[in-house]
Parts: sequence; C-alpha cells; structure tokens
Amino acid sequence: AQLVQSGAEVKKPGASVKVSCKASGYAFPGYHMHWVRQAPGQGLEWMACLYPSSGDTMYAQNFQGRATLTRDLSTDTAYMELSGLKFDDMAVYYCARDSQWLARGSAFDLWGQGTVVTVSS
Amino acid sequence: QSALTQPASVSGSPGQSITISCTGTNSDVGGYNSVSWFQQHPGRVPRLIIYEVSNRPSGVSSRFSGSKSGNTASLTISGLQAEDEADYYCSSYTSRSTIFGGGTKLTVL
Repeated sequence: AQLVQSGAEVKKPGASVKVSCKASGYAFPGYHMHWVRQAPGQGLEWMACLYPSSGDTMYAQNFQGRATLTRDLSTDTAYMELSGLKFDDMAVYYCARDSQWLARGSAFDLWGQGTVVTVSS
Repeated sequence: QSALTQPASVSGSPGQSITISCTGTNSDVGGYNSVSWFQQHPGRVPRLIIYEVSNRPSGVSSRFSGSKSGNTASLTISGLQAEDEADYYCSSYTSRSTIFGGGTKLTVL
C-alpha cells in the first residue's frame, strides 16, 4: 500500500493550491483520508479528513471555509484544495490514511511523501 | 481546539528509559482510548509507533510502550538507542477532529 502525492507548488499570496494524493494497494473507499501539514521547524497540524466512500468531510476550525477535500473513486485519488493562501500557509502538506476500516481515529498508518507548498510574492 | 501539551524536549543516555507525556482534556485524551504516537526523524515522514493508547503496529520495537491515566497519555522508550533520537508527537481523537501535541524532541546523549 502507498500514497503518492503531487509535486511541489509555488503560489502567490491569495492564490489557491490543490494537492493530490493517489492511493494504491488497499481499498481506498473504506479508510478515512486525513490531511496534515507541517510548517518549517514546526509540529504537525491536523487539517481535515475525508471518508472516500461517502464523500463526508470534517475540517479543523482553522481551515473551515478555506480548505476543501474531494476524491475521485475512479482513480483512488484524494484532493486537498486550500484557498486564500497566506505566507503562514508555507508548509509540507501530507495525506495520511486512518488505520481503521470504516471508523475515524487518531492513528495514521500510511503517509504520503509530502508536498511542499511555498507562498511567495 | 487547543493542541495537546507535550514537553518541548527530553533527553536520556543509551540504555536508559525515558517517558514523554501528552496532556489533554476529558474531551480528547481522557474521553477516548484513541491516542496515538508518531516518531519523525529530520526530513522524514512521520511514522506511527503506538495506536489506541498502548498498541504497537507490526514492526515497531517492543521498547516503545504507551499508557494513559486520566487526561494524560505517556510514551515510554526503554533501552534508549541512538536511532531513537527524533521528534515524537501524540494525537487524539475528538468528536469533531483529530488533534496533535506540539511535539517533543528526544536527544540521546
């Protein structure tokens, strides 16, 4: 099983970025997909999660209204779009699979390689 | 929701044991048996080392153990090795999210 994310992005303040996460080797619809970011030198920050089977989503308060999670069941790919980019949004963005079938938990057992998002004017 | 509270740093000598705490509230750590721990080496992707408070995924050394009492979860690493030097993060399920601790840098002296 693996998660492969799209490549690094450079965006201007105010722009949007869309990161993809292609899953393989497991039943994509049945496991929640989480998005976590890590700013340079900082800790992990949970952003949101998506249940691919239903499309149901849950967002951290800090990202409500600015992050949008979607998925494409035909290609087993999850997407995270973040709008209104600020310099503070510069970070590595990870997708991570929940370890539990069907249920949402706190254990992420499979991670993408990370996507570096740079915000620069 | 605020991040879980972890010490910024801990240290120990090879062969010793160390414990990292992770303090939350009864809405997260204290309310559910869904606390996990991750290890992250510099420049690397986080790795799950403990789930559901005290369970180890396949392939994780038995030197890593987890526990919980009230609103505080703990990660203990016994028989410290140089390769254990890394950042460690706890996480907890909540009804509306998942939250992480601020992270703890472990230095092996």
